[in-house]
Amino acid sequence: DGGITQSPKYLFRKEGQNVTLSCEQNLNHDAMYWYRQDPGQGLRLIYYSQIVNDFQKGDIAEGYSVSREKKESFPLTVTSAQKNPTAFYLCASSRLEGYEQYFGPGTRLTVT
Amino acid sequence: SQQGEEDPQALSIQEGENATMNCSYKTSINNLQWYRQNSGRGLVHLILIRSNEREKHSGRLRVTLDTSKKSSSLLITASRAADTASYFCATDAYDMRFGAGTRLTVKP
Repeated sequence: DGGITQSPKYLFRKEGQNVTLSCEQNLNHDAMYWYRQDPGQGLRLIYYSQIVNDFQKGDIAEGYSVSREKKESFPLTVTSAQKNPTAFYLCASSRLEGYEQYFGPGTRLTVT
Repeated sequence: SQQGEEDPQALSIQEGENATMNCSYKTSINNLQWYRQNSGRGLVHLILIRSNEREKHSGRLRVTLDTSKKSSSLLITASRAADTASYFCATDAYDMRFGAGTRLTVKP
């Protein structure tokens, strides 16, 4: 069963704690992405990676960090430096530039 | 940065009617894609149209692209209640930009 998975679906954290969101794909895609979506809003790009061990900042990278040690995995860490971390986080992957992106089901993070 | 901007923000129609959503963008593109999102879910790719294409069909979906006006439209014909969702356009690739979407409600 090919696809992209995110875990957990819901995540609750206290302010000041770092938290890591998981994203795994078995589609053999080179590129992976992280987006943030706030209620009633579109997606904003946090980070993307075109190849293992390389990644680029998107529009709202401050307060976030990523790693790409394996082709299949692209975890996102929301650090305590992120001022408003409560949001819906979406991970996606694609074959190459210009191809469609496949999205995971998302992780809803609530920080109190 | 490039960004698709959808219009209208919200659209409410009756089942069986057609729904048209528009997307405008700011700079030259290689392709434009349309995605659908059901509430609280991930996005699902609907259709991709390349900059050298003017129109593309997929089932009940019809997408047009006018690069001179930097705009695209998505037409859903004979809409169904199950089409109720948010629809987003996105321009280009690795640093793809999404607009805020059109929230479509199809009433049975």
